[in-house]
Order: sequence, then structure tokens, then C-alpha cells
Amino acid sequence: EDKVVQSPLSLVVHEGDTVTLNCSYEVTNFRSLLWYKQEKKAPTFLFMLTSSGIEKKSGRLSSILDKKELFSILNITATQTGDSAIYLCAVLMNRDDKIIFGKGTRLHILP
Amino acid sequence: DAGITQSPRHKVTETGTPVTLRCHQTENHRYMYWYRQDPGHGLRLIHYSYGVKDTDKGEVSDGYSVSRSKTEDFLLTLESATSSQTSVYFCAISEIVNEQFFGPGTRLTVL
Repeated sequence: EDKVVQSPLSLVVHEGDTVTLNCSYEVTNFRSLLWYKQEKKAPTFLFMLTSSGIEKKSGRLSSILDKKELFSILNITATQTGDSAIYLCAVLMNRDDKIIFGKGTRLHILP
Repeated sequence: DAGITQSPRHKVTETGTPVTLRCHQTENHRYMYWYRQDPGHGLRLIHYSYGVKDTDKGEVSDGYSVSRSKTEDFLLTLESATSSQTSVYFCAISEIVNEQFFGPGTRLTVL
């Protein structure tokens, strides 16, 4: 069965800390891995990762994929209260263009 | 933001009644998706469409049907709503599959 597992499920840190969110997957026809941020409403796209070892960066956020070990991490440095959200990892499969989401990591940044 | 709207945004209905949720896009994207999001489960794919009149099942399709007669509209129907279908429903669109844009969500309560 195809699955995407995120850890931790929830995390509370202080403003200024650095956090690492994990996403591991077991799917039969991997195409790419995607990260989303969900605040109060709909998820918004952060990164798409297709190749191993190539870091994607956007401001204080960065992500990398390891296709050998079947995982990805999302790093957030110098966290701010506005980073509080649920971070979703999803895997897009070649078969049928289906996408499977993890359960998300709920991140809360304390001022 | 991608032009995606969902209607209604909130709905309360009774068990056994039919319900139709509408997703409308102005981006002319090929792919459209319906997800439900529940605590402890994350986002789960219900049905998706890869073109007009081309649809396929996701991982939680039982009790739901969809139709896409025009590029811009993707309808999700609950033929006979049950309390287990109380959820937040998100529509998403994409052109290249790898990057999805989500609608604002519909909160459905089945009493």
C-alpha cells in the first residue's frame, strides 16, 4: 500500500529556533514530492522535488529529497510566528497521476 | 492566486439527502481534484479529473460521484449524505500535475 508518513505530527518551538520536518514515503511509482503550507484555509504550494540531493530554497525555507532512502526534509530557519501552520507533504505518482498526502505536521511558533 | 472558487462554502444537511459541491476554475487547467480533510487523516483524494468527461477514483471514493462536463467545472455529489461525510472538502487544480492550487474549501456538516 502506498503511504506517506510525516513526523513529528506536532511541534512547538520558540521564535528564532530552527525546525526540521520529516516526510518518508513508500510508493510504487514515484514521480515527485511536494510540500505545502496550510494556515487557516487552503494549502499553498511551497516546493516540488524530483531529483535527489538538489536543495530547493525560498527565503528561510529549504527542502531536499533523498530518493535512495525515500524521504524528504523541510527546514525552516529563524522561525517566526507567521510560520505557525500545518505543513503537508505529498507524493505524486506516475501511475494514474495520483497524489497521496501525509497527515501533516502542525507547527506552532511561540513568541 | 489561481482562480478557483468553491460553492457553497458552508453547508449543513441531514442524513440521506443529496448534496452537490461545485468547483469552478478560470485558469483553464487540465486537472481537477476533490479532497476531503479530516483530523487525523490529512488530505485524502476522493476523485480527480484529467479532462472533460475523464474522471477517476481516488483513495476514498465510496459514496461520492463526480462529473466534469466543462473544463471549468468539477462537481462532487453525495447521493445520500451520511454523518461520516462531515468534513472539509477542497478542490484543487493543476496544469502540470506536479503543482496543485487549492480552492478555499467547503465545510460540510451532515446531521
